[in-house]
Amino acid sequence: GDSVTQMEGPVTLSEEACLTINCTYTATGYPSLFWYVQYPGEGLQLLLKATKADDKGSNKGFEATYRKETTSFHLEKGSVQVSDSAVYFCALILSGGYNKLIFGAGTRLAVHP
Amino acid sequence: DVKVTQSSRYLVKRTGEKVFLECVQDMDHENMFWYRQDPGLGLRLIYFSYDVKMKEKGDIPEGYSVSREKKERFSLILESASTNQTSMYLCASSPEVPANTGELFFGEGSRLTVL
Repeated sequence: GDSVTQMEGPVTLSEEACLTINCTYTATGYPSLFWYVQYPGEGLQLLLKATKADDKGSNKGFEATYRKETTSFHLEKGSVQVSDSAVYFCALILSGGYNKLIFGAGTRLAVHP
Repeated sequence: DVKVTQSSRYLVKRTGEKVFLECVQDMDHENMFWYRQDPGLGLRLIYFSYDVKMKEKGDIPEGYSVSREKKERFSLILESASTNQTSMYLCASSPEVPANTGELFFGEGSRLTVL
């Protein structure tokens, strides 16, 4: 079935370090891809998305490129801040009909000063 | 800003009790969802509703039911709580079918412990 696989956490980085959180997917059709973020004590919120191959989603300094050939959507940031500490979820949805978002397991990021 | 409010942040219940988790959204969204979040498993869809009085099963509906009597309110009911229902429960809403935008608006979650 359709699924999303994320790298296991936690990921622990120093402030200003580079971040990559890996995400790969399996889908029967052509999905749209998303990254959601959950800050401590808050609900999930959409961080960025890409709806077709080679699209790049970006927001708050984060980027992810939809790679159809490798079925991947890795999240990257060049210089993380303490305020980026959160849990990050990769997700997909297939187009057409009343489909549902399929989430990965989540990756916890801890950034220390 | 869209606000999705879950009535209880923390609940502790005993096995066999009936549990109600309430969710209210203030943006007139058509679609509402209940997920549970467990470490290593991510979010799993329990039920969703695309209209008042309408409900659809998600991936893990067993042991749960829902009620949507008003557009803004979507309740999750555990008829007889069990210890394996100890989890974080997340409510979400969206103005459109998720396939159109993929954007759901989430509440802060209700952490339920069943003893």
